[in-house]
Amino acid sequence: DQQVKQNSPSLSVQEGRISILNCDYTNSMFDYFLWYKKYPAEGPTFLISISSIKDKNEDGRFTVFLNKSAKHLSLHIVPSQPGDSAVYFCAASAVTGYALNFGKGTSLLVTP
Amino acid sequence: DAGVIQSPRHEVTEMGQEVTLRCKPISGHNSLFWYRQTMMRGLELLIYFNNNVPIDDSGMPEDRFSAKMPNASFSTLKIQPSEPRDSAVYFCASRAQANTGELFFGEGSRLTVL
Repeated sequence: DQQVKQNSPSLSVQEGRISILNCDYTNSMFDYFLWYKKYPAEGPTFLISISSIKDKNEDGRFTVFLNKSAKHLSLHIVPSQPGDSAVYFCAASAVTGYALNFGKGTSLLVTP
Repeated sequence: DAGVIQSPRHEVTEMGQEVTLRCKPISGHNSLFWYRQTMMRGLELLIYFNNNVPIDDSGMPEDRFSAKMPNASFSTLKIQPSEPRDSAVYFCASRAQANTGELFFGEGSRLTVL
């Protein structure tokens, strides 16, 4: 059973516009959330994270929003750049757990 | 600093053969994870170790899969016998602390079983 769900397999956005990637989770014990970015033939790399005590975390062009009541988080990329084209994975973990649970990923294509 | 190192990067083998994937975590990291990526299931956790001890292997698909971590700088994932449905990219990741923080991934081992 998938505890972290990314329901959009792909997303296409024009350069300069906002990219919004969504993620839902089912486990109410999750309290730490991360986004990873993956280029072809490379391993996933950490992008940004958020703790459940916050509802927003910003790092440059990347902002993650957390809505605990809805068990939903989103990653905003503004402005989107062609180099942002990659697969983005949402991940979550519980304070008592060790491992990260990943979603299936969303493939983002930013077109010039 | 060297990241997580995996070998081989690519492996093509025939059904029934034994496959061994290797991983060297980042020096000083206490936790090591094996993940498998497929189109159908995305990134799924197979097993993780903390201080060389297996903590949870509930993600290991079947008895054909086994993993070891004989010391802090080396881990193996073995599949014996391999089957075509094992074809996937296998990632190793390590983390500095046991229960928090980001995972650092290797570049993965792409396995094809014919």
